Amino acid sequence: EAQVTQNPRYLITVTGKKLTVTCSQNMNHEYMSWYRQDPGLGLRQIYYSMNVEVTDKGDVPEGYKVSRKEKRNFPLILESPSPNQTSLYFCASSLSAGSTEAFFGQGTRLTVV
Amino acid sequence: KQEVTQIPAALSVPEGENLVLNCSFTDSAIYNLQWFRQDPGKGLTSLLLIQSSQREQTSGRLNASLDKSSGRSTLYIAASQPGDSATYLCAVIYWSGYALNFGKGTSLLVTP
Repeated sequence: EAQVTQNPRYLITVTGKKLTVTCSQNMNHEYMSWYRQDPGLGLRQIYYSMNVEVTDKGDVPEGYKVSRKEKRNFPLILESPSPNQTSLYFCASSLSAGSTEAFFGQGTRLTVV
Repeated sequence: KQEVTQIPAALSVPEGENLVLNCSFTDSAIYNLQWFRQDPGKGLTSLLLIQSSQREQTSGRLNASLDKSSGRSTLYIAASQPGDSATYLCAVIYWSGYALNFGKGTSLLVTP
């Protein structure tokens, strides 16, 4: 089954403790990205990757890092999480940037206390 | 700023009604527009993708139209069912970038 898989689905952590949210897709997609969803603000892009080893900032990149060492995986790294990073996070992928249908993971609900 | 607006924010209809959800965008230089469905606690499910060169797309009971000149898209749902209850999101990709620019969604409730 074609899908985007995120882990974990739920995570509660403390301020400053490094964490990684994993994202994997099995559709051989070139383009992958991360979004966060907040009440009243909607979905906003954090980072994106055009293909392996090519990543760039989205609209709200502060406090986040990403890497794209292989095509299928695109982890989101929070080096020192803060409470304002409490949010619902989504990973997405598409065959190419912009022109094709985007597929989303099930989401990761992160709470930073 | 390239805004995407969805009206209404919430909608409640009885089962069987045909309904229209609206999406407007401020910049006509769009690459494509995609409609998604989001169920509580779940991810986004792609419903329809309309390329900038297209006027509409259909999938089952869903029909999405695109009018770039007026900056509008509509999602038409025929013969609504309780299972259609969800939040519907419109997202635009502009020629200036690759990010999906989302509206804040329309929360739909279809009552039996």
